[in-house]
Amino acid sequence: EAGVVQSPRYKIIEKKQPVAFWCNPISGHNTLYWYRQNLGQGPELLIRYENEEAVDDSQLPKDRFSAERLKGVDSTLKIQPAELGDSAVYLCASSHSPVGEQYFGPGTRLTVT
Amino acid sequence: GQSLEQPSEVTAVEGAIVQINCTYQTSGFYGLSWYQQHDGGAPTFLSYNALDGLEETGRFSSFLSRSDSYGYLLLQELQMKDSASYFCAVRSGYSGAGSYQLTFGKGTKLSVIP
Repeated sequence: EAGVVQSPRYKIIEKKQPVAFWCNPISGHNTLYWYRQNLGQGPELLIRYENEEAVDDSQLPKDRFSAERLKGVDSTLKIQPAELGDSAVYLCASSHSPVGEQYFGPGTRLTVT
Repeated sequence: GQSLEQPSEVTAVEGAIVQINCTYQTSGFYGLSWYQQHDGGAPTFLSYNALDGLEETGRFSSFLSRSDSYGYLLLQELQMKDSASYFCAVRSGYSGAGSYQLTFGKGTKLSVIP
């Protein structure tokens, strides 16, 4: 079974530029999560999807962050414009159901200069 | 809110046993999970305790005491490849919600030395 796929693995951009991350969850997993992990910290939830519906986006900084999950499969997380403090690893995870175990992708390491 | 405490670093010798403790404060507690993360890698699920007691999976065991808001991960017969960060994570939510929130600790960096 293929795991959660994320791309790109690494991204370096200048501040004020836009950036987008892509995630393909495990096949059949209806629940999808985006997390941010700062250096030396644990992952922190940004947004959770049930199929194509964002059911928990309370931690998503909505002034610059947006996400979508059209058709309830792949998802994209966007930052526009990026700030220096956005440098982190952005992790995508998926689970078969809202109460199922979460499986994480390798993440996208973002560096904002 | 949620808060978790775990040691930031632990060093142990190859072949030995190490215990990583985790204390938590939370509301709507469902259970405690443990994840392993190698540098540059994805967090990988190790174990989940919803009830008090010890769960054993090969060389790894996890313990939970709900009354003490405390749990630990026990790694036996340490191998060099066990060098990684280990995160405890609380599953919490609200009755009838049909979902849960996963809140991670800051992680414990385990170094296994020869």
